[in-house]
Amino acid sequence: ETGVTQSPTHLIKTRGQQVTLRCSSQSGHNTVSWYQQALGQGPQFIFQYYREEENGRGNFPPRFSGLQFPNYSSELNVNALELDDSALYLCASSPGTVLQETQYFGPGTRLLVL
Amino acid sequence: DAKTTQPPSMDCAEGRAANLPCNHSTISGNEYVYWYRQIHSQGPQYIIHGLKNNETNEMASLIITEDRKSSTLILPHATLRDTAVYYCIVRVGNSGGSNYKLTFGKGTLLTVNP
Repeated sequence: ETGVTQSPTHLIKTRGQQVTLRCSSQSGHNTVSWYQQALGQGPQFIFQYYREEENGRGNFPPRFSGLQFPNYSSELNVNALELDDSALYLCASSPGTVLQETQYFGPGTRLLVL
Repeated sequence: DAKTTQPPSMDCAEGRAANLPCNHSTISGNEYVYWYRQIHSQGPQYIIHGLKNNETNEMASLIITEDRKSSTLILPHATLRDTAVYYCIVRVGNSGGSNYKLTFGKGTLLTVNP
């Protein structure tokens, strides 16, 4: 069974640019959640996708957007990058069933905005 | 989701049991207690979760008080590789398709010493 994978592992962008981060969910999981973790802080919820629809959103501006594909992989897009967007971006997948909804995290993508 | 309180840091000797406390005095009847850990710069790793009964798996044991206002994560024989930030999270679980978010605090930095 393949776990959650994310790409790229590291990324450097400049302020104002746009970035796309990718996540492949664990086999059999139909729900993907994205989190942002600033240095020294716990992860903060960005949004969640369940069966290709947004299923909840945290306190992040609209320039943070996402997609989920029919194979349940997902993308996180951030437009007009700001310096404060520098963080570890984490993706987590879960089965999305009544009996089991534990979220399993990928290794993350570390984004540096200069 | 209910708020949790954890000590910012703890030390443990290698080979000894590590007991990590968590207070969640405002927990609701349908909220589960989840524990994750995060080794430096990696994605959070799921450890265990429970509702009201004590739980044990290959990684740890979870002891929840009868009034459910606090819990303790027990690592029975801590090793150096258990050095990590441990997060206690309370959330509604098992709602099928309404998976929603995990709310992380700052967690407890457990340092296992040789």
